[in-house]
Amino acid sequence: GESVGLHLPTLSVQEGDNSIINCAYSNSASDYFIWYKQESGKGPQFIIDIRSNMDKRQGQRVTVLLNKTVKHLSLQIAATQPGDSAVYFCAENGSDDMRFGAGTRLTVKP
Amino acid sequence: NAGVTQTPKFQVLKTGQSMTLQCAQDMNHNSMYWYRQDPGMGLRLIYYSASEGTTDKGEVPNGYNVSRLNKREFSLRLESAAPSQTSVYFCASHSRHGNWGNQPQHFGDGTRLSIL
Repeated sequence: GESVGLHLPTLSVQEGDNSIINCAYSNSASDYFIWYKQESGKGPQFIIDIRSNMDKRQGQRVTVLLNKTVKHLSLQIAATQPGDSAVYFCAENGSDDMRFGAGTRLTVKP
Repeated sequence: NAGVTQTPKFQVLKTGQSMTLQCAQDMNHNSMYWYRQDPGMGLRLIYYSASEGTTDKGEVPNGYNVSRLNKREFSLRLESAAPSQTSVYFCASHSRHGNWGNQPQHFGDGTRLSIL
């Protein structure tokens, strides 16, 4: 999961395995959520989003799950590839602003 | 289609110097944003511009000023740089439909700024 601090949570997976990255959000009024991927030296890149009226949304090799009861968001990456190695972070949209998590560093081992 | 372009990519300043970070987007987005990213922390909003001609403070505006030059360009200025402003700065844009976040923000690749 994500946390604020000097060291990012890390997740190491074997190439071909599935990855699950978790995010706990803070605002129960948030109605829109986004997952971003950030590679070293690059800006955040949009992966997938979900609105609060949905529990699950699927993209190409990625699935986002939303559990509003416990304010939890997860990103599942199927058949993880070396190119998936990056920092992944979630963002939540409340009534007035967008809040970003610190991220989880995903490392894919060949 | 370049998306969001930031210049410069790297900069080293001495304490007290001034500098303007430039940002331009070619996606015809209404809203533009400046964030800073520090190690182990989420992006923090410095200033934003909901539409051409308007700017508003974000979470950490102290020590910064902005200018929305036109619909495409949104610049961030440090009038008197301080070591605490050493960070990576990201510009983002999107079009608002209804509330704030119906569409994802698109980011530039950042400006890495070091203040000695």
